[in-house]
Amino acid sequence: EAQVTQNPRYLITVTGKKLTVTCSQNMNHEYMSWYRQDPGLGLRQIYYSMNVEVTDKGDVPEGYKVSRKEKRNFPLILESPSPNQTSLYFCASSWATNEKLFFGSGTQLSVL
Amino acid sequence: GDSVTQMEGPVTLSEEAFLTINCTYTATGYPSLFWYVQYPGEGLQLLLKATKADDKGSNKGFEATYRKETTSFHLEKGSVQVSDSAVYFCALSDVGGSEKLVFGKGTKLTVNP
Repeated sequence: EAQVTQNPRYLITVTGKKLTVTCSQNMNHEYMSWYRQDPGLGLRQIYYSMNVEVTDKGDVPEGYKVSRKEKRNFPLILESPSPNQTSLYFCASSWATNEKLFFGSGTQLSVL
Repeated sequence: GDSVTQMEGPVTLSEEAFLTINCTYTATGYPSLFWYVQYPGEGLQLLLKATKADDKGSNKGFEATYRKETTSFHLEKGSVQVSDSAVYFCALSDVGGSEKLVFGKGTKLTVNP
């Protein structure tokens, strides 16, 4: 089954404790992206990747890191999480930016 | 820069009512336009798309027409059901321009029986 898998689904952590949210897709997609969703602000792009070893900042990259060492994986790293990074995060992938975007089920992160 | 503006929500309708959710955009290239839907507790999924002017996207009774002259892509459905309750996002991909995918802020729809 074609899917984007992100883990964990829920995560509660404390300020400053490094964490990684994993994202994997099984569709051989070139394009992958991370978004955060906040009430009243909609979906905002954090980082995106057009291909292996190619990543670019989205609209809200501060406090986040990503890597694209393999085509299928695109982890999101928070080196020192802060409470303002409490949000619902989505990973997504597609063949190209003008093609259908497949989304993961989301990760609800709470930073205390 | 590229942007998408969609009507503020929330929108509350009775079952079988007519739905319109307005969406307008600005883009520098030749955008493809999308509507995504997010059901409670789930990720977004593509509802419909249109890639050029005057194209009509349709799916599950929803329709939207790419209007270049008014830079709009309004979502419509003739008779909504309770199961259509969700958040709807308009989006564009500026092919030939920034190549970025830009989302509107979303419109929450609640349909009451």
